[in-house]
Amino acid sequence: EAGVVQSPRYKIIEKKQPVAFWCNPISGHNTLYWYLQNLGQGPELLIRYENEEAVDDSQLPKDRFSAERLKGVDSTLKIQPAELGDSAVYLCASSLTSSNEQFFGPGTRLTVL
Amino acid sequence: SQQGEEDPQALSIQEGENATMNCSYKTSINNLQWYRQNSGRGLVHLILIRSNEREKHSGRLRVTLDTSKKSSSLLITASRAADTASYFCVQGSGANNLFFGTGTRLTVIP
Repeated sequence: EAGVVQSPRYKIIEKKQPVAFWCNPISGHNTLYWYLQNLGQGPELLIRYENEEAVDDSQLPKDRFSAERLKGVDSTLKIQPAELGDSAVYLCASSLTSSNEQFFGPGTRLTVL
Repeated sequence: SQQGEEDPQALSIQEGENATMNCSYKTSINNLQWYRQNSGRGLVHLILIRSNEREKHSGRLRVTLDTSKKSSSLLITASRAADTASYFCVQGSGANNLFFGTGTRLTVIP
């Protein structure tokens, strides 16, 4: 069974440019999460989806970050415009339901120059 | 903050020794989960212990939970070099939002 797929694995952009990350969760998993992880820190939740509905986006900086999960499967996280402080690893995870363990993708390492 | 806090922040042991990591949290939980993160396999779920459980085993892993002290411990027995990683305890709240701490960095020396 394929795990959580994320692309790209690495992205280098200049500040003020837009960037998008894509996530394909494990088939059948209704809950999808986006996390941000800074070096030496644990992941921090940005947004959680139940099917196509964003049920917790309280930590998502809405002035520059947006996310969508069309049809309740794949998801895209966008930053526009990117700032230097956005350099981090962006992790996507999915779970069967919100009460089950989460499976994480390999992450996208973003570097903003 | 609802983050769990792991202790110690870093731990270095010889292969074959046991490793114990502790976690403290502040709010009530439905469950507590332990995850491992290394460069090779990313972030991987290890074990989940529910708030009504006191101890759980999985292979070389043993997790305890003391809800009265709001603490948990992870014991890895007979450690291997492949156990070198960062270990996170994660509180599962009612909405199953996971709050990660900063982790314990374990180094197992061959």
